[in-house]
Amino acid sequence: KQEVTQIPAALSVPEGENLVLNCSFTDSAIYNLQWFRQDPGKGLTSLLLIQSSQREQTSGRLNASLDKSSGRSTLYIAASQPGDSATYLCAVSPARQLTFGSGTQLTVLP
Amino acid sequence: GAVVSQHPSRVICKSGTSVKIECRSLDFQATTMFWYRQFPKQSLMLMATSNEGSKATYEQGVEKDKFLINHASLTLSTLTVTSAHPEDSSFYICSAQVGTGGYEQYFGPGTRLTVT
Repeated sequence: KQEVTQIPAALSVPEGENLVLNCSFTDSAIYNLQWFRQDPGKGLTSLLLIQSSQREQTSGRLNASLDKSSGRSTLYIAASQPGDSATYLCAVSPARQLTFGSGTQLTVLP
Repeated sequence: GAVVSQHPSRVICKSGTSVKIECRSLDFQATTMFWYRQFPKQSLMLMATSNEGSKATYEQGVEKDKFLINHASLTLSTLTVTSAHPEDSSFYICSAQVGTGGYEQYFGPGTRLTVT
């Protein structure tokens, strides 16, 4: 059974810092990996999707990498802003369903 | 981008009543829709997978008679929580997927259910 772990569970940084969120998964047989953002009481916003054949994806200040062999992904956020404060979830797709990690709650202090 | 809506966004009901939540894909046809629930400060847990015109596939531990799922068209799936109890209070989120395999899922904004 696929298990997804995110470390750290919570992170607080001052504005302007670069930061890395970590995601690990136990079964490397995946179709893709997605990073999502969730604001309190809201649904999910897809940030980046990495297909299993890809190593990384970039969107603006966000860069996500994927190392299938080691079962790891990282989400790099450059020049963090208070508006980046949210919970970040990673999810892997071994089949049609997504298996989610427990998330990292990020707070960017002004 | 693909948009998924949910209705209602919030609902409060009394114990023992039934509540229906709608999930619609607004600008695309969804072969498959998924229903998740999320408890406070926890991640999303998949409840069931539904394909248009066929019965939903429920995850282990999810009561199919309590959580009725209907996927009547390629743009609409409904989740009915029957005989709701306070422990059913949760955040319910749907997602829609085009095609099969490892395709991207598009998520709705969620429905907050409170059972009193």
